[in-house]
Amino acid sequence: DAKTTQPNSMESNEEEPVHLPCNHSTISGTDYIHWYRQLPSQGPEYVIHGLTSNVNNRMASLAIAEDRKSSTLILHRATLRDAAVYYCILRGRGSGNTPLVFGKGTRLSVIA
Amino acid sequence: GAGVSQTPSNKVTEKGKYVELRCDPISGHTALYWYRQSLGQGPEFLIYFQGTGAADDSGLPNDRFFAVRPEGSVSTLKIQRTERGDSAVYLCASSLTGTDSYEQYFGPGTRLTVT
Repeated sequence: DAKTTQPNSMESNEEEPVHLPCNHSTISGTDYIHWYRQLPSQGPEYVIHGLTSNVNNRMASLAIAEDRKSSTLILHRATLRDAAVYYCILRGRGSGNTPLVFGKGTRLSVIA
Repeated sequence: GAGVSQTPSNKVTEKGKYVELRCDPISGHTALYWYRQSLGQGPEFLIYFQGTGAADDSGLPNDRFFAVRPEGSVSTLKIQRTERGDSAVYLCASSLTGTDSYEQYFGPGTRLTVT
């Protein structure tokens, strides 16, 4: 899997939008961009994934650059419950059940 | 429905002892994964099962580590002659099977401390 680069930490005020960046300059044309997050003392949980177009779900939005070399996870209104480590992971199309390759992720702190 | 469960939640053992960690995946998920997470790091892959067989065990650090899934459901990770460096959170995940990139559902982990 291609490598991703994320900031070590970010801070946000409660109820404000948060933009979590991820660089993946060596992404291949068939790699999906996945985001997982890990709340304190819990296992990681799936957040969202996309290929080329921007994606929205109940948890977040994923904005993918036109050249696909970077992406941004957007939390529209941060809450204290969103404080977690966020991981950006690339997975090849058709990778089926290959293991996830985690980096260190971005630790998001949310201030009340 | 029930998520992935792991037991025990915490395990403290002495150096040199044998430990078993259990994972109950989501019903119907044929793929099962074990990961290990050290403090301040992301989870690191250990082994992946497809049904009863280990499809990829390339992440097991050495032959002290072994995992089984005899009936294609519950899995047990076994560690022999534990060392202090084995102290970590051991995470289990399960997913559906197919060519698409299915999301993995993680359990809460077992925190292993080797004294």
